[in-house]
Amino acid sequence: DSGVTQTPKHLITATGQRVTLRCSPRSGDLSVYWYQQSLDQGLQFLIHYYNGEERAKGNILERFSAQQFPDLHSELNLSSLELGDSALYFCASSGGPGSYTQYFGPGTRLTVL
Amino acid sequence: QKEVEQDPGPLSVPEGAIVSLNCTYSNSAFQYFMWYRQYSRKGPELLMYTYSSGNKEDGRFTAQVDKSSKYISLFIRDSQPSDSATYLCAMGVSTSGSRLTFGEGTQLTVNP
Repeated sequence: DSGVTQTPKHLITATGQRVTLRCSPRSGDLSVYWYQQSLDQGLQFLIHYYNGEERAKGNILERFSAQQFPDLHSELNLSSLELGDSALYFCASSGGPGSYTQYFGPGTRLTVL
Repeated sequence: QKEVEQDPGPLSVPEGAIVSLNCTYSNSAFQYFMWYRQYSRKGPELLMYTYSSGNKEDGRFTAQVDKSSKYISLFIRDSQPSDSATYLCAMGVSTSGSRLTFGEGTQLTVNP
């Protein structure tokens, strides 16, 4: 158990809908990262938050947004969902911008029908 | 061209074998290197991490980094069926943001 929690474990929804994925980092970690893992793409970095502030963006679609709250949990919002958004979504946490070891949560499996 | 190249396998070995997993990279800005193990698309589990060239050993696992050749390896000694998983190499630059760039992963099966 990495200490990173994610909810829900599974999410099944329809095209055009909006969903919210939630992540709680390890106790004391200030950084949260979101990654997407699809069957044909491997793990792709989406976005990084540190202590409530956005620090870096990767290949994140404009339909996707994220935030980190004062209690350090983070949410990833996916809207206008398309079939191609079906994937595993992982969050990872680390101690801070200079701390490079990232610990991953169990992931949320999103299926868009 | 991908920044990180990793042979996806699959790789099948008998129990007790020494396993060698490798990645090459093209971005010379990468400063730190990690290996993760992922079982059946569960959350990746951090196995090894290193910041410098050379070898780092932890139990049956040895991570090797050659920055001059842009090549990293993970060796598993006395492999066990429980080592059957997908192994992902990951790399990052030493600046704020610290995103990780992953290889595709190598699927390993250790046969009893």
